[in-house]
Amino acid sequence: AQSVSQHNHHVILSEAASLELGCNYSYGGTVNLFWYVQYPGQHLQLLLKYFSGDPLVKGIKGFEAEFIKSKFSFNLRKPSVQWSDTAEYFCAFDPTGTASKLTFGTGTRLQVTL
Amino acid sequence: EAQVTQNPRYLITVTGKKLTVTCSQNMNHEYMSWYRQDPGLGLRQIYYSMNVEVTDKGDVPEGYKVSRKEKRNFPLILESPSPNQTSLYFCASSPGTWLTNEQFFGPGTRLTVL
Repeated sequence: AQSVSQHNHHVILSEAASLELGCNYSYGGTVNLFWYVQYPGQHLQLLLKYFSGDPLVKGIKGFEAEFIKSKFSFNLRKPSVQWSDTAEYFCAFDPTGTASKLTFGTGTRLQVTL
Repeated sequence: EAQVTQNPRYLITVTGKKLTVTCSQNMNHEYMSWYRQDPGLGLRQIYYSMNVEVTDKGDVPEGYKVSRKEKRNFPLILESPSPNQTSLYFCASSPGTWLTNEQFFGPGTRLTVL
């Protein structure tokens, strides 16, 4: 069955620390991959996406993710987090190519302390 | 401004009382979806629509109905709500084309069924 695993459920970091959130997907075909962020009380916003080309994808707010096909992974990284990055982060994949049916992970809650 | 709107934003109702949550997008998108978000479970797709009069079940369709009579609108109908449908609901839309395949989310509707 198609699925997405986010192994870190809750991460607490100090400001300026580096961040890496894990995401692994289970699907044998071509996929499009996404990271969304949900700030407290807000709707989901796209951070970055990958559908082909360079496996290192840069997104907004200094985030990047690397697609490693052999590991079925799409980990999110940021070299130096800020307090304003406190949010919930969702990895998702789309096997259709049309974004009509996204499968989401369970999310990682990131708390950045001052 | 390009956006997805949902109404109402908050709703408290009682078991069995039919309700409709409206969703509208002004981006002329082909695809629209409904998700529910529950703690520890991430977002799960309820229904999606590829175009007017074309809908299909997502991962958790039981207890819900949808319709797509106009391209811009995609209401979610709960004919007989039950407490296990207490959740945060998001509507989303996407253009459905390969190169712009991301979903745009509405602000969410928090539903409580007593």
